[in-house]
Amino acid sequence: QPVLTQPPSTSASLGASVTLTCTLSSGYDDYKVDWYQQRPGKGPRFVMRVGPGGIVGSKGDGIPDRFSVLGSGLNRYLTIKNIQDEDESDYHCGADYGSGSNFVYVFGAGTKVTVL
Amino acid sequence: QVHLVESGGGVVPPGRSLRLSCAASGFTFSSFGMHWVRQAPGKGLEWVAVILYDGNNQYYADSVKGRFTVSRDDSRNTLYLQMNSLRAEDTAVYYCAKDPLWFADRPEYPQHWGQGTLVSVSS
Repeated sequence: QPVLTQPPSTSASLGASVTLTCTLSSGYDDYKVDWYQQRPGKGPRFVMRVGPGGIVGSKGDGIPDRFSVLGSGLNRYLTIKNIQDEDESDYHCGADYGSGSNFVYVFGAGTKVTVL
Repeated sequence: QVHLVESGGGVVPPGRSLRLSCAASGFTFSSFGMHWVRQAPGKGLEWVAVILYDGNNQYYADSVKGRFTVSRDDSRNTLYLQMNSLRAEDTAVYYCAKDPLWFADRPEYPQHWGQGTLVSVSS
């Protein structure tokens, strides 16, 4: 099953842009990844799904246009433009893996985004 | 508007059992697969289990296989997680989440999430 790697933290100034990276383990370059936002003390919220060709399906409910995704090789990116205070959150990536009659869903360790 | 409310968390000694519930509203519960995901204090997310819309298929993380059982009662619009032989490492906030595809014969991902319920395994 794939392993998803995320840097533990990053920061950006109010109004700037930030790009988060989720890296799939070798051999999984055709996999889709799901991005989730988790504000402090809250449950996660689905942001959007990204594959090698970009967004797959629709954004999650209420996700602003400032959020976009890109896929390249083993990397799946989430970019936040014009970052706002309410974007300060933990961002998790996840991916499903199914082999035969099995199903597993794996998450990365998450990236904490701080807005300066 | 999808609304999920988890309950049943609390403090329990190691080796004991606990059953979590997730009350669903705002969608046709019986048509969708449902997940459980947990988050240990200060840690990342860990997928626990999923049950398909018809209740006939369930999948589990290796860390809980044989100890946890996911089930559903469509007449009550409620999802359950029966947790047996609890360990200290099961301490976490447990979230239920709705899968996006209806009548799917395979899960996709946890799309809509509840606010979670805290389970603390401690003597």
